[in-house]
Amino acid sequence: SQTIHQWPATLVQPVGSPLSLECTVEGTSNPNLYWYRQAAGRGLQLLFYSVGIGQISSEVPQNLSASRPQDRQFILSSKKLLLSDSGFYLCAWSGGGGNQPQHFGDGTRLSIL
Amino acid sequence: AQSVTQLDSQVPVFEEAPVELRCNYSSSVSVYLFWYVQYPNQGLQLLLKYLSGSTLVKGINGFEAEFNKSQTSFHLRKPSVHISDTAEYFCAVKVATGKLIFGQGTTLQVKP
Repeated sequence: SQTIHQWPATLVQPVGSPLSLECTVEGTSNPNLYWYRQAAGRGLQLLFYSVGIGQISSEVPQNLSASRPQDRQFILSSKKLLLSDSGFYLCAWSGGGGNQPQHFGDGTRLSIL
Repeated sequence: AQSVTQLDSQVPVFEEAPVELRCNYSSSVSVYLFWYVQYPNQGLQLLLKYLSGSTLVKGINGFEAEFNKSQTSFHLRKPSVHISDTAEYFCAVKVATGKLIFGQGTTLQVKP
């Protein structure tokens, strides 16, 4: 069966420091991959999605970036974190079919000090 | 643009009572609809999905939802809730690009 892993589970970083969050999927090939942020409150904001290696689409302008160096690996990065980057970051994957649901990882709680 | 509206931000209910969480979507084309549940500090878990066929969809944990095309609704129901159902519930619609559009969520608070 397919599984999705995110790490770390929690992270406390100072303003201006770099960031790297990693997400990997097992048990499937060529998944669509997604990064979401959930700010305090609860809505989910789609940040990036990828339909293949090296193919990244950005949904909102920000100081975050994403990369997909391998088929089942999706990385969220920043060179300099802002206070507003605090939140709960969720990675998700789906199959390529139009009716496929997205399956989420357990998330990373990021606190910026 | 397609959108999803969850009409209630919070729904308090007593244990063993029935519950309905409301969801309306806007779309002029065929849609795929989903309900997810999120427990504190966890990711989202798929409860159920409507892709086509029968308008009554059954999911995990005793939940079900009914797709109503004329009212563009996809309300979630459970005949008898448990304390363990306390969580955040999200309705979502999948658009043509494959992206999910989420509602703002409904907090279900089950009281003893």
